[in-house]
Amino acid sequence: AQSVTQLGSHVSVSEGALVLLRCNYSSSVPPYLFWYVQYPNQGLQLLLKYTTGATLVKGINGFEAEFKKSETSFHLTKPSAHMSDAAEYFCAVSEWGNEKLTFGTGTRLTIIP
Amino acid sequence: DGGITQSPKYLFRKEGQNVTLSCEQNLNHDAMYWYRQDPGQGLRLIYYSQIVNDFQKGDIAEGYSVSREKKESFPLTVTSAQKNPTAFYLCASSLPGGERGNTIYFGEGSWLTVV
Repeated sequence: AQSVTQLGSHVSVSEGALVLLRCNYSSSVPPYLFWYVQYPNQGLQLLLKYTTGATLVKGINGFEAEFKKSETSFHLTKPSAHMSDAAEYFCAVSEWGNEKLTFGTGTRLTIIP
Repeated sequence: DGGITQSPKYLFRKEGQNVTLSCEQNLNHDAMYWYRQDPGQGLRLIYYSQIVNDFQKGDIAEGYSVSREKKESFPLTVTSAQKNPTAFYLCASSLPGGERGNTIYFGEGSWLTVV
């Protein structure tokens, strides 16, 4: 069965500092991996996704993530945090068809002015 | 504009009542989903539908029911059998179901509170 582990339910970084949100997955077949962002009282918006090909994936708002098969990881990074990045971030994995999209428990990102 | 519309945004339910959450999409997506979100637990799949008149249970279907009579609509009924229904409910849709890696698009969510 597929699963996702997000390390750190809360992460705080200073404005302008590097953002690193960690995601590890478990899958019996090559996974498709996703990062979504959720602002308060809103739905989820796709930041980026990895399906096949290049392992470094660039997304919206300056975010990127690298698929590392040997480490079963798909960490999300942004070089310089902005106040508008404060939100909750979800990593998700799809193993067999997108109806089986499994989400992690989320990481709440706080930006310190 | 194309998108997914959920209504109502906020709903209060009395003990023993059934309530229905509406979800409509105009993206021409075949697949639709209902997720439940609780603090610290991420999103859990309640039901999903890949085509009209067909749907499957997700991980936490007990106490919920759905219908898919039209491609655009996928209403969720929270029945009195659901003992802990207070949560944030998210409807979603995607391009033809079964194709791996398709992006799932989400509505703005509905808050359900038991009073």
